[in-house]
Amino acid sequence: KAGVTQTPRYLIKTRGQQVTLSCSPISGHRSVSWYQQTPGQGLQFLFEYFSETQRNKGNFPGRFSGRQFSNSRSEMNVSTLELGDSALYLCASSLGASMYQETQYFGPGTRLLVL
Amino acid sequence: KNEVEQSPQNLTAQEGEFITINCSYSVGISALHWLQQHPGGGIVSLFMLSSGKKKHGRLIATINIQEKHSSLHITASHPRDSAVYICAALPRGAAGNKLTFGGGTRVLVKP
Repeated sequence: KAGVTQTPRYLIKTRGQQVTLSCSPISGHRSVSWYQQTPGQGLQFLFEYFSETQRNKGNFPGRFSGRQFSNSRSEMNVSTLELGDSALYLCASSLGASMYQETQYFGPGTRLLVL
Repeated sequence: KNEVEQSPQNLTAQEGEFITINCSYSVGISALHWLQQHPGGGIVSLFMLSSGKKKHGRLIATINIQEKHSSLHITASHPRDSAVYICAALPRGAAGNKLTFGGGTRVLVKP
């Protein structure tokens, strides 16, 4: 089975722009979670989607949004980019069958630099 | 104070040594994950625990729910074990994958 794929892998944007990142989960996985990793804050949970519905949301401003399509692919969007949004954005997929304890499979990440 | 704390932050070992990484958390949890992140960013899920002990190859993870503490042990360490190891807790009552992460332990194993 192919692993989790994320596109693009690298991105450079300027302040005020918006960006859309894409994640394709492992075939058959219905849950997709997004995480932000920065040197200062480490890994932080952004949101989780299951069957096209947002199941969980982390403590991020409304500029961060996401969605999931019927084929389980997910996108996240960040509007009005700020310098502090520079980070590695990781998505992870899991079967989604259990609400609580499942192994997640991570994609390689999208490295976003905001200038 | 972070809800999930790891120690040490950095660790250097000689090949073959036994390595222990600690993770303490302040909230009740329903599961704890150990992750491995190699240079370049890729993350691999190593273990998911809710009680007791799990072993996979040279890696052993234990958890003590009463003491709110988990450890990851690497036996007979090898330079390919050099990575950042991250623990992540799923707070009790939280659903899905709303994980809270520790700050990571950077491990360097020298040949």
